[in-house]
Amino acid sequence: DQQVKQNSPSLSVQEGRISILNCDYTNSMFDYFLWYKKYPAEGPTFLISISSIKDKNEDGRFTVFLNKSAKHLSLHIVPSQPGDSAVYFCAASYFGEGAQKLVFGQGTRLTINP
Amino acid sequence: DTAVSQTPKYLVTQMGNDKSIKCEQNLGHDTMYWYKQDSKKFLKIMFSYNNKELIINETVPNRFSPKSPDKAHLNLHINSLELGDSAVYFCASSRRQGTGELFFGEGSRLTVL
Repeated sequence: DQQVKQNSPSLSVQEGRISILNCDYTNSMFDYFLWYKKYPAEGPTFLISISSIKDKNEDGRFTVFLNKSAKHLSLHIVPSQPGDSAVYFCAASYFGEGAQKLVFGQGTRLTINP
Repeated sequence: DTAVSQTPKYLVTQMGNDKSIKCEQNLGHDTMYWYKQDSKKFLKIMFSYNNKELIINETVPNRFSPKSPDKAHLNLHINSLELGDSAVYFCASSRRQGTGELFFGEGSRLTVL
């Protein structure tokens, strides 16, 4: 029962072009959506988030779009740089049972080619 | 000046043994978590503690026992290790209620032979 899905296990993009990572979710109770970035042998690090009441949030080269009717979000990286090569996890968050709960997708490995 | 640190980073052990992983955070957060990343790469929550109190226990076998001596520390003890326990275990911390921004440790890779 995967509430958050990233259907593309990998993505390869040329340096300077746009990278688009996609994520689908099934549960309407999530109040925040987040993207985390993970390098090998390191823990995930927070990248950008969006509230469920918004449809876009931008931070420098990173923009997250939320389409609530389609239960879909995407992360755009432009322009893509070699240092962006990492695994990107989509996550959905809600507050329940006294704690902030996060449900993660299975990740998409992004490779930026020079 | 690591925010969330966990030790050991690698752990190789035999089935049936007992092992512990330690975690410490210096961010002043109230809430700490243990996540497990399995062979399929999913990150799944196991436990969450808020100010030393267990608040989330996601149907984890009782061979796994978390302990929080204070709000800056959350340790994970695993009894009678099984092959299926092989995974990467991540500790994380956060404010109690927020957007879901978690700060993760580097992970502890456990291999059970």
